[in-house]
Amino acid sequence: GGIITQTPKFLIGQEGQKLTLKCQQNFNHDTMYWYRQDSGKGLRLIYYSITENDLQKGDLSEGYDASREKKSSFSLTVTSAQKNEMAVFLCASSFGQGGNTLYFGEGSRLIVV
Amino acid sequence: GDQVEQSPSALSLHEGTDSALRCNFTTTMRSVQWFRQNSRGSLISLFYLASGTKENGRLKSAFDSKERRYSTLHIRDAQLEDSGTYFCAAIIASSSFSKLVFGQGTSLSVVP
Repeated sequence: GGIITQTPKFLIGQEGQKLTLKCQQNFNHDTMYWYRQDSGKGLRLIYYSITENDLQKGDLSEGYDASREKKSSFSLTVTSAQKNEMAVFLCASSFGQGGNTLYFGEGSRLIVV
Repeated sequence: GDQVEQSPSALSLHEGTDSALRCNFTTTMRSVQWFRQNSRGSLISLFYLASGTKENGRLKSAFDSKERRYSTLHIRDAQLEDSGTYFCAAIIASSSFSKLVFGQGTSLSVVP
């Protein structure tokens, strides 16, 4: 089996601050994803990456940057944190270029003060 | 608009009873996945279906193979540990990349 590790579990920042979330997977999966989950809503895709150094925008990419430095890691940066951005950010990975089962991390909660 | 409509949004079941969750899609989907979000926040994959039905213990899922416009998740003999939020997610048949579109979730509470 494998595991997806997200850090930090809680990220507290000030309005306007640049904040970064990290994700590591040891499944040797090709594709990695960042989703945002708002209370009472489904997950919305922010960015995904089908291989090292690849980046693709999802439905909610504005205000975010991402980086796939190596196959096992995918980071997400909130470029200027806003209070309406407080949500849980979930990282996931899958074999191949999409269309296969997704495996999720435990999420990182962003708190903007 | 929302492409994946999940119902009900919340459900309370007594232990030992059966029920079904449903996802309707506004367009033809290639495949569907069902997840349960555990208390730590992680989503655990329950089923991945490209067609037909799959069963695992007390859970059974079906994906309408003809129209490909809905999927169901049946829970038999509900137990307390089944409580959690269930999400369906589907891949649009016409999309160039297999991106999952999520429903809003069903919050299930199983009570004694």
